[in-house]
Amino acid sequence: QKEVEQDPGPLSVPEGAIVSLNCTYSNSAFQYFMWYRQYSRKGPELLMYTYSSGNKEDGRFTAQVDKSSKYISLFIRDSQPSDSATYLCAMSGARNQGGKLIFGQGTELSVKP
Amino acid sequence: KAGVTQTPRYLIKTRGQQVTLSCSPISGHRSVSWYQQTPGQGLQFLFEYFSETQRNKGNFPGRFSGRQFSNSRSEMNVSTLELGDSALYLCASSPGTVQETQYFGPGTRLLVL
Repeated sequence: QKEVEQDPGPLSVPEGAIVSLNCTYSNSAFQYFMWYRQYSRKGPELLMYTYSSGNKEDGRFTAQVDKSSKYISLFIRDSQPSDSATYLCAMSGARNQGGKLIFGQGTELSVKP
Repeated sequence: KAGVTQTPRYLIKTRGQQVTLSCSPISGHRSVSWYQQTPGQGLQFLFEYFSETQRNKGNFPGRFSGRQFSNSRSEMNVSTLELGDSALYLCASSPGTVQETQYFGPGTRLLVL
C-alpha cells in the first residue's frame, strides 16, 4: 500500500463548477500538507500548504486537512478552463527531515468551457 | 526573482551511458531536492542537499548520485543508464529553513534508448 493515495481521475467538470480533490495517507507522522498544480510538460507549481489540521483559503482555492481521518482536500470554486491540469498532493513529516516530500499519483482535471 | 532553472531540458542517451543534469536554485535558497517523475510511479524523492551536504536520500540505487556546490547549484548524475531511467527529473529549491515551501524547476526529460 502506498503512503499517499490519490484518485488519478481523469475528472471532467463544466466551467464554474466546484471541484473537490482528495488524498488519503497512512503515515501519522505527516505534519505538512501541500497541493501542487502541474501543467503538461511543466514542473509542479506550489498552490497551497498547511501545517497540521485545519483549513486554509487563498482566492478560489481552499485546502482542508483532517489528521484524525488522515484525509486532505483541495476545493476549487468557480473553476476555469485554465485550471485544467494535474493536481498533486504532497506531504512530509518532521520539520528537519530534509526536504523529502511524499506525493500522491496526481488527479488529472479538465474544466470544459 | 528568477525561478529554478534546469539544464538541459531534453536529453537522449543509450543504455550503459551516464548523464549529468544541472539545477540552479532560486537566489538565496540553500536546499535543493531532486525527484524522478514517471507515469507509473509518479513523483519519487531522490535526494536533498543543503549547504553542500546530502541531508536526505530516497530509495534509489547507488547509480544515482548528486552534489551541491558552494553557490547552491546542484548536479545529479546517473551512471550505467537503464531503459527504466527514462523519466522527467525535477529539481526543487527551498530556503532550507521551512522545508515545505519547495519550488520546482521545469525538469529535464531523459529518454534512454
